[in-house]
Amino acid sequence: GAVVSQHPSWVICKSGTSVKIECRSLDFQATTMFWYRQFPKQSLMLMATSNEGSKATYEQGVEKDKFLINHASLTLSTLTVTSAHPEDSSFYICSARDVTPWLAGGVDTQYFGPGTRLTVL
Amino acid sequence: DQQVKQNSPSLSVQEGRISILNCDYTNSMFDYFLWYKKYPAEGPTFLISISSIKDKNEDGRFTVFLNKSAKHLSLHIVPSQPGDSAVYFCAASGHSNNNAGNMLTFGGGTRLMVKP
Repeated sequence: GAVVSQHPSWVICKSGTSVKIECRSLDFQATTMFWYRQFPKQSLMLMATSNEGSKATYEQGVEKDKFLINHASLTLSTLTVTSAHPEDSSFYICSARDVTPWLAGGVDTQYFGPGTRLTVL
Repeated sequence: DQQVKQNSPSLSVQEGRISILNCDYTNSMFDYFLWYKKYPAEGPTFLISISSIKDKNEDGRFTVFLNKSAKHLSLHIVPSQPGDSAVYFCAASGHSNNNAGNMLTFGGGTRLMVKP
């Protein structure tokens, strides 16, 4: 099945520093990737949609200058949390859209990475 | 405004019995629905999906039912196993040619506990 990896799986950083999280689709090409955030005991909240070769589309209330997204290739999207603060501590999850089934007459599906736990001290 | 709702935050079921997880949606533009299973500190795992042209999709112990008129879907797990204990999210999306787009909108999740 489709596999999506994230790196790192967890990171602890000091307030004011920047952290980069990578999301890779390992066995399929993903023109679209999504970044989610999950707070404890809450559902997944979409932060932004990342399209290969173009600017990301951010959801309302998400600061684009704080959460920088780059989708430089069909298998890699990165999320950089700039000038991180303790309130940015959260579980960040990416997903990648596999359109192969859709092109074959089926429907596409999003596959999720394992997530990255960010703790800002 | 929550477009996808899972009204039961938790569900406890005895091993071997049926687990029924429910999900309601409000956006009539949604035409594709998915169920994901999530363990703590892990990403969601895709379980099963259903297109709006169907009312039932079955895969092993998992069956998803869709009632479009009621804007309601449910996931049935039978027989339930202790390893099924996790949080289950339903999600909905449309395709790129309608207003719902390709994004997934998630419900709040239901924690399933299967007791041995």
